[in-house]
Amino acid sequence: DAGVTQSPTHLIKTRGQHVTLRCSPISGHKSVSWYQQVLGQGPQFIFQYYEKEERGRGNFPDRFSARQFPNYSSELNVNALLLGDSALYLCASSLVGLAGAWSTGELFFGEGSRLTVL
Amino acid sequence: EDQVTQSPEALRLQEGESSSLNCSYTVSGLRGLFWYRQDPGKGPEFLFTLYSAGEEKEKERLKATLTKKESFLHITAPKPEDSATYLCAPQRGGATNKLIFGTGTLLAVQP
Repeated sequence: DAGVTQSPTHLIKTRGQHVTLRCSPISGHKSVSWYQQVLGQGPQFIFQYYEKEERGRGNFPDRFSARQFPNYSSELNVNALLLGDSALYLCASSLVGLAGAWSTGELFFGEGSRLTVL
Repeated sequence: EDQVTQSPEALRLQEGESSSLNCSYTVSGLRGLFWYRQDPGKGPEFLFTLYSAGEEKEKERLKATLTKKESFLHITAPKPEDSATYLCAPQRGGATNKLIFGTGTLLAVQP
């Protein structure tokens, strides 16, 4: 079974540019979350989407945005890149229980997109 | 404010030398606590979820336990392939499934 897939795996951008990262969840999973992992730190929550709607947003500036498509895949967009945006961007998918009850709470991560901003 | 602290930051063991990793947390309304393994340059790999104090789960040489303030990951007779960063992540109940990650424990097992 295919796991969470992310693209591109690596990319290099310069300051001020824009980047789009893509994620396909595990088949049947309707929730997608994005995390940023800076070297030497644990992942930090950026967004969660479920059924194309934003469910939660972490403490990130408005330069970060995301969306979820009808097939449950997702994009993370970052505008006006800064050096500090260099990180591993992780996508995670999960099943969602009824009425907000997370009957299956496990989040499964992809291998990430390594972004370097020069 | 939610806080997650993992200790030690790094741990070096000889093959077969058992030990424990600690995760201390202050998270209101805890729904569950997750453990992940992460190899260099890879995404976190799911290991366990614990939902209530006193719960234990095992997988091969790993056993995770949970109290109201801490979780432990016990590694019995580790092998070199157990070398990785182990991440602890409490999850608060609510409208999102957001995980609050610690900085991890880097485990190195020498043959």
